[in-house]
Amino acid sequence: DQQVKQNSPSLSVQEGRISILNCDYTNSMFDYFLWYKKYPAEGPTFLISISSIKDKNEDGRFTVFLNKSAKHLSLHIVPSQPGDSAVYFCAASAPSNTGKLIFGQGTTLQVKP
Amino acid sequence: DVKVTQSSRYLVKRTGEKVFLECVQDMDHENMFWYRQDPGLGLRLIYFSYDVKMKEKGDIPEGYSVSREKKERFSLILESASTNQTSMYLCASSSLAGGPDTQYFGPGTRLTVL
Repeated sequence: DQQVKQNSPSLSVQEGRISILNCDYTNSMFDYFLWYKKYPAEGPTFLISISSIKDKNEDGRFTVFLNKSAKHLSLHIVPSQPGDSAVYFCAASAPSNTGKLIFGQGTTLQVKP
Repeated sequence: DVKVTQSSRYLVKRTGEKVFLECVQDMDHENMFWYRQDPGLGLRLIYFSYDVKMKEKGDIPEGYSVSREKKERFSLILESASTNQTSMYLCASSSLAGGPDTQYFGPGTRLTVL
């Protein structure tokens, strides 16, 4: 049972344009969501997060939007840069998870120069 | 900065061998985790630990065991490696203090079982 789903395995965008990565979840108890970025042969690095009490969080070129009623979150990257090419994982946690994160399958973003 | 290190970046083992993957974190984190990453499957939790000598099964514990004798070190053990355990193994740690559960990852170990 996949509680966190990233339905697009890959995304390709042109440099300078917006990248939108999507994530859906099924567990209404999730109250904290994170995005991680992973380059090949490296561990994931934390990118940005959002609490369920908010609907938007912004950090430079990265913005995460949360739609609780739709159980959907998205990561916007504006403008996209070639160095953003990586695998992006969304993750979620619930108060009862005591530190555990549930990860999606990942979306591979390619930003073309 | 949090630093999580893993003992090997690349490892090649034979079927049936016992394999040890070591992970060390330097931030006094209580929680430590072992994941494997496979294409199309994301990160799947194998085992985690909330404290020294404590361990709990994750989603795919079969064929694996763990050891946490010291707070900073969390070891993953493949008792008898099989080809379906060829994967990228990722260790992570997080703190119970300070709110939400941001995990910090090591660089990963690419294990190939022949």
